[in-house]
Amino acid sequence: GEDVEQSLFLSVREGDSSVINCTYTDSSSTYLYWYKQEPGAGLQLLTYIFSNMDMKQDQRLTVLLNKKDKHLSLRIADTQTGDSAIYFCAESLMGGGNKLTFGTGTQLKVEL
Amino acid sequence: NAGVMQNPRHLVRRRGQEARLRCSPMKGHSHVYWYRQLPEEGLKFMVYLQKENIIDESGMPKERFSAEFPKEGPSILRIQQVVRGDSAAYFCASSPQGAGTQETQYFGPGTRLLVL
Repeated sequence: GEDVEQSLFLSVREGDSSVINCTYTDSSSTYLYWYKQEPGAGLQLLTYIFSNMDMKQDQRLTVLLNKKDKHLSLRIADTQTGDSAIYFCAESLMGGGNKLTFGTGTQLKVEL
Repeated sequence: NAGVMQNPRHLVRRRGQEARLRCSPMKGHSHVYWYRQLPEEGLKFMVYLQKENIIDESGMPKERFSAEFPKEGPSILRIQQVVRGDSAAYFCASSPQGAGTQETQYFGPGTRLLVL
């Protein structure tokens, strides 16, 4: 199956770290992505990780991949109010022709 | 370098009318993907096209929906005889290459379709 699941909401205080989690079911994932969607806007690619990697860091963003448990997480360090948005994880599958399967999205709210 | 462009940004149609959504990929990109986002849901893949070819339409509803990407001009997603359940945001993405490569898909701002 191609189910990708995320928790719906996350609320953090400005300056804290945010951790957004994602689970997927298809073990043939090749790449896993994190996208950010602000209200009324399209999707902005934040980062991606190849399925044979465990971790990828890009400035304030850290992606962790546990392939055994099919679990992906996005950590945002020093979360700012501008990080408030919906975050989607997505996977592309081997032989899937590069189409993306998206999770349900996690709405991150950053409070002062 | 302009990003992926979609128009219109908002479209209102009455039940039974036709909706035409346009997508111009980024310059140099020859692969286009359409996704649909229903309210409170994630994006669902609809169709993947190259110039003049439909590569994968496994996510397209069997009836009323069609897509094309002509040699010249934008990609068009066409919905005939719209119903209220078609109300959604429709996103287009493009990439330089497609299947078999890891190519980031760049998304447009979306067209928000409202069927009255």
